[in-house]
Parts: sequence; structure tokens; C-alpha cells
Amino acid sequence: DQQVKQNSPSLSVQEGRISILNCDYTNSMFDYFLWYKKYPAEGPTFLISISSIKDKNEDGRFTVFLNKSAKHLSLHIVPSQPGDSAVYFCAASSRKTSYDKVIFGPGTSLSVIP
Amino acid sequence: DVKVTQSSRYLVKRTGEKVFLECVQDMDHENMFWYRQDPGLGLRLIYFSYDVKMKEKGDIPEGYSVSREKKERFSLILESASTNQTSMYLCASYGRSRNQPQHFGDGTRLSIL
Repeated sequence: DQQVKQNSPSLSVQEGRISILNCDYTNSMFDYFLWYKKYPAEGPTFLISISSIKDKNEDGRFTVFLNKSAKHLSLHIVPSQPGDSAVYFCAASSRKTSYDKVIFGPGTSLSVIP
Repeated sequence: DVKVTQSSRYLVKRTGEKVFLECVQDMDHENMFWYRQDPGLGLRLIYFSYDVKMKEKGDIPEGYSVSREKKERFSLILESASTNQTSMYLCASYGRSRNQPQHFGDGTRLSIL
């Protein structure tokens, strides 16, 4: 059973508009969340993170929102650019475990159309 | 800038072969990881290591083993390759502080024929 879910395998957005990528998790022990971006033939690169003590973290065009009661987080990209076209992975971890195991979601493929 | 280098970008092997995937990082990181990425499944953890000669099983260790003789190098071994091990393999590392993001290599696309 997947502990981190990204229910939209793909998303298409017009350049300049907002992209919203969603992620749900089931394990209430998770207290740290990350988003990674992956281009074809490259490894994932870290994008932005959020701790469970916050409900929002912003970095330039990227904002992550966390709703702990709903066990839901979302990544907003504003404005979207063609270079944002990639697969986005949501990931979660818990400081309560004895080691730093990160659970990844299945990914959402974002296409930004010029 | 952190560099995680995987020895091969593409690899083709035959069933039953013993396969070695090598990963080297240059930032003196304690923690190193091996994942495989399959469509619709995301990244699944095979093994990880938090120190030299230390290893822990991840979620899908069956059919794999690892070796960490030096801090900078973490090897993934397919003892007897099978076709269901055809996948993209990703190595990652990070330092001792918790909740640091992992730095990934560019991956090895392994095909088992």
C-alpha cells in the first residue's frame, strides 16, 4: 500500500498559468516533506521542502502548502514556464524513525505548453 | 556542489549474470542509498548505508546486495540478474544532519535480457 500518493500521473498547463501538483500521505508519523523534480535521463533534483510545524513554504515561483489534518500537500508553480516540464516526485520522511528513510510518491509528469 | 556519480548510464546484461552498479559521491556524506524507479511506482528503496561497512535493507532488497568498503563508494550487486530487475537505478547521498535533501546521481538504465 502506497504511503505517499500522487493521484494525477500527468498534468498539462499553459505557460504563464499556475501549476498545482497534489500529494496525499497516509502515515501520520511523517513530519518532513520534499518535492523533487526529474528531467529525462537525469537524477531527481531537490526543489523545496516543508516541515510539519509549518503550513507554507515559498521559494521564488515555487510554494508548498501542507494541510496536516487532511494529510495533503500541494506544490504551486507560478507562473509556469516550459522549462518546468518534468516529472515531480513528492516525498515524505519521519524524524521519529531510527533512520532517515524517505518514501517517494509515484510522480506527476508536468507539461507546460508554450 | 555535491556530485554523485554512477559508473554507467546504460547497461545491458543477461539473465543469471552477476551485475555490479557503482556509485561515488564527493562530499564526504555518511548516508548513501540505492533506489529503483519504475513507471507508476516512483522510487523504491533497495538498500541504504549510514556508514562504512554498515548496510540496511530497504523496501525491496530481494535479489540485491550492497557493499560499502569506503565512505565515498556504495555498490549495488545483482547476485543473479533476472528480467524483472530491468529498471532505472538511482544512487543518492546526504550528510549527517537529518532532513537534508538527498543528492542523486543521473541513474543507470539497466536492461536484463
